[in-house]
Amino acid sequence: GAVVSQHPSRVICKSGTSVKIECRSLDFQATTMFWYRQFPKQSLMLMATSNEGSKATYEQGVEKDKFLINHASLTLSTLTVTSAHPEDSSFYICSAAQAVSGGSYEQYFGPGTRLTVT
Amino acid sequence: QKEVEQDPGPLSVPEGAIVSLNCTYSNSAFQYFMWYRQYSRKGPELLMYTYSSGNKEDGRFTAQVDKSSKYISLFIRDSQPSDSATYLCATRRSSGDKLTFGTGTRLAVRP
Repeated sequence: GAVVSQHPSRVICKSGTSVKIECRSLDFQATTMFWYRQFPKQSLMLMATSNEGSKATYEQGVEKDKFLINHASLTLSTLTVTSAHPEDSSFYICSAAQAVSGGSYEQYFGPGTRLTVT
Repeated sequence: QKEVEQDPGPLSVPEGAIVSLNCTYSNSAFQYFMWYRQYSRKGPELLMYTYSSGNKEDGRFTAQVDKSSKYISLFIRDSQPSDSATYLCATRRSSGDKLTFGTGTRLAVRP
């Protein structure tokens, strides 16, 4: 159980174009999903927290107009990188929160999407 | 100062060795502690989850939390080449809080 998928796993796009990445919780409903980016040999940096049916909460320094997040259902969140530039090239990872006992939750991560902007 | 500090390694050990991975943190409000394993070009996988201080064991893995010294440890017994990965510690303050990650330690287990 607790499987999270991401699509695509790898994408190459030209500078100036937009790219959409999907994150799905396959066997559970996730009211909250998280988007991270990870540069080589670095840790995960939280970009935004998205709750189903409401606007995403972005971390300081993350441009909300550049990284559009839509959490339209309990099993799907999308991240759109608009007007991508080479510096946006990174590994983007989503996670979905599954409720556990005691009112807590656990995060399960997707396999990541490698974005290369040429 | 980062909220969670972790030696990035790399750490190289022979097969069968006991591996000790550690993190320190600065925020005494952290209550939940996790260890994730991340293989190259993959998403992190939850290994261990601990609430407050104490030990937790799962097979070859043991997680320890010492809140008095703000120190988190993961021990791997009888290490295998398949354990070669990056290990990330993570913490959060409350049940609904976001995770704060360490930088990750790259581990290589030599056959």
